[in-house]
Amino acid sequence: QQQVKQSPQSLIVQKGGISIINCAYENTAFDYFPWYQQFPGKGPALLIAIRPDVSEKKEGRFTISFNKSAKQFSLHIMDSQPGDSATYFCAARSGNTGKLIFGQGTTLQVKP
Amino acid sequence: DTGVSQDPRHKITKRGQNVTFRCDPISEHNRLYWYRQTLGQGPEFLTYFQNEAQLEKSRLLSDRFSAERPKGSFSTLEIQRTEQGDSAMYLCASSLEGVAKEAFFGQGTRLTVV
Repeated sequence: QQQVKQSPQSLIVQKGGISIINCAYENTAFDYFPWYQQFPGKGPALLIAIRPDVSEKKEGRFTISFNKSAKQFSLHIMDSQPGDSATYFCAARSGNTGKLIFGQGTTLQVKP
Repeated sequence: DTGVSQDPRHKITKRGQNVTFRCDPISEHNRLYWYRQTLGQGPEFLTYFQNEAQLEKSRLLSDRFSAERPKGSFSTLEIQRTEQGDSAMYLCASSLEGVAKEAFFGQGTRLTVV
């Protein structure tokens, strides 16, 4: 019930390509779905987030697509750049406490 | 710098020793969270505070772990009698209370138990 499943575990994309990372959850009580970007040796940094009453949110090259009925959401990185190479985590927030349940992470490598 | 600050950044300790980490949240944030991240995994929730009250503890937080947030400002996480399995990155995050209030993470403390 508390798990968030993320795929793929790793992803290699050519510069300029589209990177797509998928997540699925079970608990319908989650009220907020952020994506975090993490570089080696650093803490996670918020990239973009969405609430379940919205089906899509776009910020620059980053887009979240949200399918409430399927309990799935995905991150799309358009025009991927080598600087996007990092580990990406989806998460789901438990409303009352605000604690985050994270996916297992996706290591993205963008080749120049 | 108004971000979340953690100290130390790295800690190497011998098995059986006690260690303490500190987290200074963003000043106006009333919620503070501790997470643990092992290599290749996502962060896992340990505990959280609202102001000075510790409101939830994960089952991951064994009796050897204790966290405090005196006066609702900085927080400390202490691990007693460290074990090799405690080796991980310990992350602190803070946020305001409320729907869709984003959590900001610190840089983490990397603990290595030898």
